[in-house]
Amino acid sequence: DTAVSQTPKYLVTQMGNDKSIKCEQNLGHDTMYWYKQDSKKFLKIMFSYNNKELIINETVPNRFSPKSPDKAHLNLHINSLELGDSAVYFCASTRTGPTNTEAFFGQGTRLTVV
Amino acid sequence: RKEVEQDPGPFNVPEGATVAFNCTYSNSASQSFFWYRQDCRKEPKLLMSVYSSGNEDGRFTAQLNRASQYISLLIRDSKLSDSATYLCVVSLWGGATNKLIFGTGTLLAVQP
Repeated sequence: DTAVSQTPKYLVTQMGNDKSIKCEQNLGHDTMYWYKQDSKKFLKIMFSYNNKELIINETVPNRFSPKSPDKAHLNLHINSLELGDSAVYFCASTRTGPTNTEAFFGQGTRLTVV
Repeated sequence: RKEVEQDPGPFNVPEGATVAFNCTYSNSASQSFFWYRQDCRKEPKLLMSVYSSGNEDGRFTAQLNRASQYISLLIRDSKLSDSATYLCVVSLWGGATNKLIFGTGTLLAVQP
């Protein structure tokens, strides 16, 4: 069973389009994240949700709107896609708390905006 | 200054070599520390947690120096399969901050 699954794995779309990436975890974790990995391979946190509530929004443009319908799901909707949005987006989850916070990642969604 | 800094490498080493990676972090409130491994075009996976007392897992040894805000990873007897990017990670938890902060990663290439 996949612990953290995100879909789609690949997404190629034109500038200006709106797209969504879905993420689900079956680990019973309370905290979920979206990370963006750019062409230089730097993993940067975008959002953190704890029990469906937004905890962190790391100055991400408001074209990016996360939605957490329940603890096990954290989806990412992106409006008006731009070339600079091309990257790999990773969903992750952890237990809540400062210790034992091993993060489990989804396989990533490789977004290419053309 | 980045919150977690690592030498990006690449480190090109022969099989059997010992290689050491270093990492520094800027926030003294950081609570937990980890090394993750990321293979090409794959997701990051936990390699090991890092404790002040130091910890070892087979050929891998991790150390944490809180006073210097410095983390290290030592790999002995390198194998071809160790080739990957190694990510230094710290966690910040509490109040409005619940996150894992990743370093830029150090690329290791073990040569036959």
